[in-house]
Amino acid sequence: NAGVTQTPKFRVLKTGQSMTLLCAQDMNHEYMYWYRQDPGMGLRLIHYSVGEGTTAKGEVPDGYNVSRLKKQNFLLGLESAAPSQTSVYFCASRNGGATEAFFGQGTRLTVV
Amino acid sequence: AQKITQTQPGMFVQEKEAVTLDCTYDTSDPSYGLFWYKQPSSGEMIFLIYQGSYDQQNATEGRYSLNFQKARKSANLVISASQLGDSAMYFCAMREEADKLIFGTGTRLQVFP
Repeated sequence: NAGVTQTPKFRVLKTGQSMTLLCAQDMNHEYMYWYRQDPGMGLRLIHYSVGEGTTAKGEVPDGYNVSRLKKQNFLLGLESAAPSQTSVYFCASRNGGATEAFFGQGTRLTVV
Repeated sequence: AQKITQTQPGMFVQEKEAVTLDCTYDTSDPSYGLFWYKQPSSGEMIFLIYQGSYDQQNATEGRYSLNFQKARKSANLVISASQLGDSAMYFCAMREEADKLIFGTGTRLQVFP
């Protein structure tokens, strides 16, 4: 079972470059989430989706966009990367009523 | 305002002792769920335990139990018989309105021999 897979695992970007992080889940889950983790800040919700074709803003959405064109995939885009977006990004998925959310292994992004 | 508050940045416990990690939450939604996750130094997020807002009994999973006090809006994690491998970051999380899943800032637990 692959579970939740994030691509890539590591990336270094220059300021102003764009990139897309891919989250793929093979559990047919309805809900998917993108978080960033920074020291002392815990996990902060960027955007989330409650189903294919839907997205919603979380706690820290500025500078990010997302798309959920297919149920199994949730893409996180940075249009113009900034050093403040240096972080570890986690994707998670769960089903409605589920008592557990499953996480990917994380993506370490550095913006220089 | 913080919706999930973990007031203990760090905790120490001796091996084989019990430890309580605090978590308070704030929501006006009558239906919500509370989670605890462990994050070891390797970075993965490991699910530990879940408590639904309508659950009458406190959740337990092996050495983990959740002390759910609804009126106080607290959902503390109790780890019994601590082991060296319990040293990690611990995060409390809440599922609330519109199925948002939000996390606290975490508590770093260190277990010493």
